[in-house]
Amino acid sequence: GENVEQHPSTLSVQEGDSAVIKCTYSDSASNYFPWYKQELGKRPQLIIDIRSNVGEKKDQRIAVTLNKTAKHFSLHITETQPEDSAVYFCAASSRGYSTLTFGKGTMLLVSP
Amino acid sequence: EAGVAQSPRYKIIEKRQSVAFWCNPISGHATLYWYQQILGQGPKLLIQFQNNGVVDDSQLPKDRFSAERLKGVDSTLKIQPAKLEDSAVYLCASSLGWGAETRTDTQYFGPGTRLTVL
Repeated sequence: GENVEQHPSTLSVQEGDSAVIKCTYSDSASNYFPWYKQELGKRPQLIIDIRSNVGEKKDQRIAVTLNKTAKHFSLHITETQPEDSAVYFCAASSRGYSTLTFGKGTMLLVSP
Repeated sequence: EAGVAQSPRYKIIEKRQSVAFWCNPISGHATLYWYQQILGQGPKLLIQFQNNGVVDDSQLPKDRFSAERLKGVDSTLKIQPAKLEDSAVYLCASSLGWGAETRTDTQYFGPGTRLTVL
């Protein structure tokens, strides 16, 4: 089955800095890669996703890049704000199914 | 649109007791998922339904966990008997359908049920 590795486990940045979280996956058939943000005690919420027919996708301060050859994808947050502080999860899903395999999460702390 | 609803939000039980969780997906969503999220880890899929049929239950500990979605809408997840290691947040999610080329597989999560087994 699919295996998703996520790094780093914790990331501390100053407000205004950029943050990058990286994930690798094992199943070359995976074609859908969402990123979820989970604030303490709350539900995971989709913030951005990418499919294997594109290499990069942006939404305001958030971007995701995908390298299918290397089987890794990354989340980029620019101009970080304290409200970006949360746990971020990457996930991967194989073609034809919607079963997601999640990474272990990255706790992002943005200091004012 | 209304989100995924779950109840109860919190549950504390003794080991070897039974517990049940309820989930109401977003209206019109054919696919429903139950995840287990242990503290400090990502969600792990327990079972996935397409309408009222099971698509994937490979990671469901079937000796103690069971789930059903009888009318293709609401779902219940049961643990009987509970063990200490079952302490976790149980998340329900739903998606419109499944498919690689459409957005129907975007999953929306409920608030979860936090289970503590003493």
